[in-house]
Amino acid sequence: EPEVTQTPSHQVTQMGQEVILRCVPISNHLYFYWYRQILGQKVEFLVSFYNNEISEKSEIFDDQFSVERPDGSNFTLKIRSTKLEDSAMYFCASIRTGGLTEAFFGQGTRLTVV
Amino acid sequence: QKEVEQDPGPLSVPEGAIVSLNCTYSNSAFQYFMWYRQYSRKGPELLMYTYSSGNKEDGRFTAQVDKSSKYISLFIRDSQPSDSATYLCAMSVIGGNQFYFGTGTSLTVIP
Repeated sequence: EPEVTQTPSHQVTQMGQEVILRCVPISNHLYFYWYRQILGQKVEFLVSFYNNEISEKSEIFDDQFSVERPDGSNFTLKIRSTKLEDSAMYFCASIRTGGLTEAFFGQGTRLTVV
Repeated sequence: QKEVEQDPGPLSVPEGAIVSLNCTYSNSAFQYFMWYRQYSRKGPELLMYTYSSGNKEDGRFTAQVDKSSKYISLFIRDSQPSDSATYLCAMSVIGGNQFYFGTGTSLTVIP
């Protein structure tokens, strides 16, 4: 069964450092997303990406965040200067068509900022 | 942001029990309703989705939507220990670009 894969599974970084979280969406999917889940809180939308550009972003997704699909298979989330409050599980998701009904999520990357 | 409310539990039931999980919402523009299951330290896994009021059944799972009351439910019949997980409701608007999640309900099914 096709799946969304994310690497690394766990990343520890020092405050102020840059991190890149990587995702390989399902191969025939066209829409890509990043969500995050701070421990004990809701899963929150960060950004959606279609046709090589951001289609929507939340208030959380400020100038410290960027996304890229560098090679047609990977989808990355970069945080330029991490803060303690960026510690969370980050989930990548992909959808084949425009409908939001069948989004497939990756297993997540746990980011710990120390 | 309190658009989707979900009782976080925890909920503990004996094996074989019927489980009822619920979410309420405030945004009447929500038209798509999903239930995800999330095991510890894993990503959400889609269980069911629906876009109309009424019931939708899939095996032991039934999703129920009442748009007039802005209330959705997931029923699990004959619950199994393997159903132990966190259950997340999620919603979206037509043409929208994001899901709005509930906080998740932690369920434990005791053998």
